[in-house]
Amino acid sequence: DQQVKQNSPSLSVQEGRISILNCDYTNSMFDYFLWYKKYPAEGPTFLISISSIKDKNEDGRFTVFLNKSAKHLSLHIVPSQPGDSAVYFCAASGSNTGKLIFGQGTTLQVKP
Amino acid sequence: DTGVSQNPRHKITKRGQNVTFRCDPISEHNRLYWYRQTLGQGPEFLTYFQNEAQLEKSRLLSDRFSAERPKGSFSTLEIQRTEQGDSAMYLCASSPRLTLNTEAFFGQGTRLTVV
Repeated sequence: DQQVKQNSPSLSVQEGRISILNCDYTNSMFDYFLWYKKYPAEGPTFLISISSIKDKNEDGRFTVFLNKSAKHLSLHIVPSQPGDSAVYFCAASGSNTGKLIFGQGTTLQVKP
Repeated sequence: DTGVSQNPRHKITKRGQNVTFRCDPISEHNRLYWYRQTLGQGPEFLTYFQNEAQLEKSRLLSDRFSAERPKGSFSTLEIQRTEQGDSAMYLCASSPRLTLNTEAFFGQGTRLTVV
């Protein structure tokens, strides 16, 4: 069963506009959520995270929103830049081991 | 560079052969993870070490797979009698145990192709 889902395989936005990537989860025991960015032939790079005790975390152009009642989180990138084009993975953790459960990924393309 | 290092970057092997991958985590990170990623999917957890102790293994880790982390430093992942279904990107990650929740830092991965 897929505990973390990213239902949009791809997203295309214009440079300067907002990119919104979505993620849904099913396990209510998850208490820490992360977004990773991945370029081809490289490992995932940590982007931003949020604890379940918060509903928003912001870091520069990146903001993550968490809606626990809906078991939904989203990543907002404003303004989007061509260098943001990559695959974005949502991940969740609910154990003290730090084990991450990943979504399938969303490929973001930012057009100049 | 003090990031997570994985070797080799690429490995092509014939079905039935054994392969071994190495991961050098960030210095002083006592948590080490192995993940596997196939095309179009996110990374899937395989196993986890706290120092030298292997504390959790996924059911994805069949008997043909074994991982070690001697002395709590580098780790190796061995696949015996490889099958075509083992073809994937194998990712290693490490994290410090400073707080309960912290991000994991990933290496560049080892891409395995079984022919």
